[in-house]
Amino acid sequence: SQKIEQNSEALNIQEGKTATLTCNYTNYSPAYLQWYRQDPGRGPVFLLLIRENEKEKRKERLKVTFDTTLKQSLFHITASQPADSATYLCALDAGGSSASKIIFGSGTRLSIRP
Amino acid sequence: NAGVTQTPKFQVLKTGQSMTLQCAQDMNHEYMSWYRQDPGMGLRLIHYSVGAGITDQGEVPNGYNVSRSTTEDFPLRLLSAAPSQTSVYFCASRTTTGRPYEQYFGPGTRLTVT
Repeated sequence: SQKIEQNSEALNIQEGKTATLTCNYTNYSPAYLQWYRQDPGRGPVFLLLIRENEKEKRKERLKVTFDTTLKQSLFHITASQPADSATYLCALDAGGSSASKIIFGSGTRLSIRP
Repeated sequence: NAGVTQTPKFQVLKTGQSMTLQCAQDMNHEYMSWYRQDPGMGLRLIHYSVGAGITDQGEVPNGYNVSRSTTEDFPLRLLSAAPSQTSVYFCASRTTTGRPYEQYFGPGTRLTVT
């Protein structure tokens, strides 16, 4: 069956450290994978997209990697801050095209302690 | 631009009642979708549309109907509400051309079925 799994339901790390979140998928062949941030009571907000032919993407303190052989994406937040505390969701296109449906993982709740 | 708007913000229904959740976007996006979010389960796709007159089922379509008569609007109908449909509902839209296919989410509708 098709699955998207974010391995940690919750992650608690010290301010200043690097947070690493994992997204694994099975029986999909996505053209791209996305990461979103969701704060309590709000809708998700897009952060980064990485395409199947890209190994790594960066945006300020954020870095995403995509390994289509392992069927895995890693999401890193460097120099983490308490304001980075939120739920992070990975998502992929389920059909490999620009009009494909987007399927989400269950999310990882990240807490950064001062 | 208002982005993606959803009404109502909150709704309480009795079992068996019907209602329509409204969603509108002013970004001329071709693709619109409905998700439900339950604790610990991330976002699950209900229905989606790649353009006016075209809709398709997502992961959890049972109990919900949709139609897309205009580019701007994508209402979600609950024909006979059940307690299992208690959830937070998010509408989202995105372009299917250009880059980068990121989804824009509305603020959500919190629905309780008693």
